[in-house]
Parts: sequence; structure tokens; C-alpha cells
Amino acid sequence: EAQVTQNPRYLITVTGKKLTVTCSQNMNHEYMSWYRQDPGLGLRQIYYSMNVEVTDKGDVPEGYKVSRKEKRNFPLILESPSPNQTSLYFCASSFVMNTEAFFGQGTRLTVV
Amino acid sequence: QQPVQSPQAVILREGEDAVINCSSSKALYSVHWYRQKHGEAPVFLMILLKGGEQMRHEKISASFNEKKQQSSLYLTASQLSYSGTYFCGTKGGSGNTGKLIFGQGTTLQVKP
Repeated sequence: EAQVTQNPRYLITVTGKKLTVTCSQNMNHEYMSWYRQDPGLGLRQIYYSMNVEVTDKGDVPEGYKVSRKEKRNFPLILESPSPNQTSLYFCASSFVMNTEAFFGQGTRLTVV
Repeated sequence: QQPVQSPQAVILREGEDAVINCSSSKALYSVHWYRQKHGEAPVFLMILLKGGEQMRHEKISASFNEKKQQSSLYLTASQLSYSGTYFCGTKGGSGNTGKLIFGQGTTLQVKP
């Protein structure tokens, strides 16, 4: 089944404790992206990757890192999480930019 | 710059029509429309490209006015399944970058 898989689905962590949210797609898509969703603000792009080893900042990259060493995986790294990074995170992938994007199930992160 | 969606919320009766607008202050290359139901991930509806034709997804269609930097989503003879939050995502420039900026969303509720 074609899908984008995020893990974990739910995470509660403490301020400053490094964490990684994984994202994997099985559709051989070149384009992958991370978004955060907060009430009233819609989806805001954090980072995107046009292909392996090619990543770039979205609209709200501060406090986040990404890597794209393999085509299928695009992990989101929070080196030192803070409470203002409490949010619902979505990973998405598409064949290339400007084609249909498939979203993962979401990761609800709470930083206390 | 985040595109502005209007209205913020709309309530319809089954069978009624609705229009959701997406307006940007910048020149656009493409507009992406997604629908998100409560507790779920966003789902792709359609993409409109600069110079492209009006698109349709079942009884939902969309237009893209490049000069006005606007897109409109038309929901005809709405069904209960249309309920959800609709997001437009905009991409500017020449089409070479992967940055996608979403609006704040329009919540649509269809009642029997």
C-alpha cells in the first residue's frame, strides 16, 4: 500500500531533550516536506527536500533540522525542543513539486 | 507571505453551493488545494498551474486568476462528505523552488 509513515504518532518530552520524528515513504517520491499545524495558523512549512541530499528552509525552520540521505526517509530533528514547538506535525511526499502530495498520519508533540 | 483565505468559516445545507477564495500578495506559479477532516491528515484535491486550465475534482472545481493572484474553489451541490477544513497552498516564483505556503484554512460544515 502506498503510504507515508510517521513515527511516533504521539510524543511528550521535556524541554531540551533531543528528539527525532521519522518519516518514510514507499512511493519513490522525490519531493518531501515537513509542516507544523497550529490552531488558526493553518499548515506552515518547516523544511522541504527536492531530492536526496537537497534540503531547504520553509517558512518556519528555526529550531529544526532535517536530513535526506536516502530517497525514502526524511527525519525531522529537534536538537533542543522548547514548549513553543508543541504542535501537530505532518510529513508529506509527492513525485515532484507541483504534483499530488500524500500526507502522513501526523505526530502530536508536546514539549513540557 | 501567507495567502488569505475567505471566508474563515461557512455553514451550508446539503445541496447548496459555496465558494472559497485564496488571495496572495505575491505573484503565483501554482495553487494547491487540500481538504482536512477533523483528526485526519490533509487530502489532495487539485493543483492549478500558471497558464493552466480550470480543474475539477468530482463536483468541486477551481479557478486561478494569475493577474489577480487569486484562486477560488467552487463546491457545487454540497454533500455531507464535503465537511472539513480547506487549505490553499501557494507557490511563487518560476516554479523551481519547493517552498509552499498555506493559508489559514476555511472550515466548511454541511448540514442535512
